[in-house]
Amino acid sequence: EPEVTQTPSHQVTQMGQEVILRCVPISNHLYFYWYRQILGQKVEFLVSFYNNEISEKSEIFDDQFSVERPDGSNFTLKIRSTKLEDSAMYFCASSDRRTNTGELFFGEGSRLTVL
Amino acid sequence: AQKVTQAQTEISVVEKEDVTLDCVYETRDTTYYLFWYKQPPSGELVFLIRRNSFDEQNEISGRYSWNFQKSTSSFNFTITASQVVDSAVYFCALSEPNQGGKLIFGQGTELSVKP
Repeated sequence: EPEVTQTPSHQVTQMGQEVILRCVPISNHLYFYWYRQILGQKVEFLVSFYNNEISEKSEIFDDQFSVERPDGSNFTLKIRSTKLEDSAMYFCASSDRRTNTGELFFGEGSRLTVL
Repeated sequence: AQKVTQAQTEISVVEKEDVTLDCVYETRDTTYYLFWYKQPPSGELVFLIRRNSFDEQNEISGRYSWNFQKSTSSFNFTITASQVVDSAVYFCALSEPNQGGKLIFGQGTELSVKP
């Protein structure tokens, strides 16, 4: 069964460092998303991406965050200068249609620990 | 504003008991979509069901069933004859049209099924 894959599974970084989280969405999907989950809390929407541009972003997704689809397979989330409060599990997701009518497939997540 | 409330933070049952997870939502739209996701201890998010606001028919899938009631803005999830493998955090989520694929998640209910 096709799946969304994310790397790394766990990254530890120092505050102020740049981090790139990588995702390979399901190959025929067109809509891509990043969500995050701070430990023990609910899953929060960060950003959606379609046709090589951001469709929507949340208040969390400030100038420190950026997303990119550098080639036909990868979808990345970059945090320019990490803060302690960026420590969370980051989930990538993809869909072949807008979420309303399509199933959102999530990856297994990348756990980011900022020290 | 959109909001999803899962009032039960933790539920503990003994295997073979039936258990119902509550979900109450708020939205101003007449068209919206509701979801349930399972997050097992391994951390990934597993899609369980999607329901649109025009379809109030209850659904059953094996031991799982969902009760959607627009009158009370609820979308409850029942597991019949629970098993230890059902132990996980369960999230209810809401999506509206033209939201760019954004899901609003509830806080989650941690279900523990003991043998």
